[in-house]
Amino acid sequence: KQEVTQIPAALSVPEGENLVLNCSFTDSAIYNLQWFRQDPGKGLTSLLLIQSSQREQTSGRLNASLDKSSGRSTLYIAASQPGDSATYLCAVIKAAGNKLTFGGGTRVLVKP
Amino acid sequence: DAGVIQSPRHEVTEMGQEVTLRCKPISGHNSLFWYRQTMMRGLELLIYFNNNVPIDDSGMPEDRFSAKMPNASFSTLKIQPSEPRDSAVYFCASSFQQVYEKLFFGSGTQLSVL
Repeated sequence: KQEVTQIPAALSVPEGENLVLNCSFTDSAIYNLQWFRQDPGKGLTSLLLIQSSQREQTSGRLNASLDKSSGRSTLYIAASQPGDSATYLCAVIKAAGNKLTFGGGTRVLVKP
Repeated sequence: DAGVIQSPRHEVTEMGQEVTLRCKPISGHNSLFWYRQTMMRGLELLIYFNNNVPIDDSGMPEDRFSAKMPNASFSTLKIQPSEPRDSAVYFCASSFQQVYEKLFFGSGTQLSVL
């Protein structure tokens, strides 16, 4: 059974510092991995999607890397801003199925 | 497009009552997913549909839960009878493909069963 873990559960950084969020998964047979952002009281917004054949994806200040063999992904957010404060979740989908398995999320606070 | 639309945004009901949650997916998307989010269990997939057909309902917790998708633009999740432990945020999401590229979530329904 696929398990997805995100450590730490919460993170607080001063504005301007780079953010590094970690995601690990137990079964490397994945189809893709997605990073989502969730604001309080809102749904999830997909930030980046990395196919299993890719090693990284970039969008603006966001960069996500994927190391399938070690079962890890990292989301980097450069030059953090207070507006980046949210919960970030990673999720993986198995190669042979359609179920997205979510991690527990990392709650991020960027202090002005 | 307005995105995935869910209603109601909040629902407060008493134990034993029937609850119906509604979802309108993004036009053109052919896969629809119902998730439940709680502090204790995180996000759990309840059921998903592809081309209006239920594909996997193994996440539906009990027979009290049922979901329908009568057409490509509407789905319901029903709980009958509701119990306090059903209190959670219920999300609907849609995607373009069954093995989806990106998943688009609605804003959720906050359900409180007293």
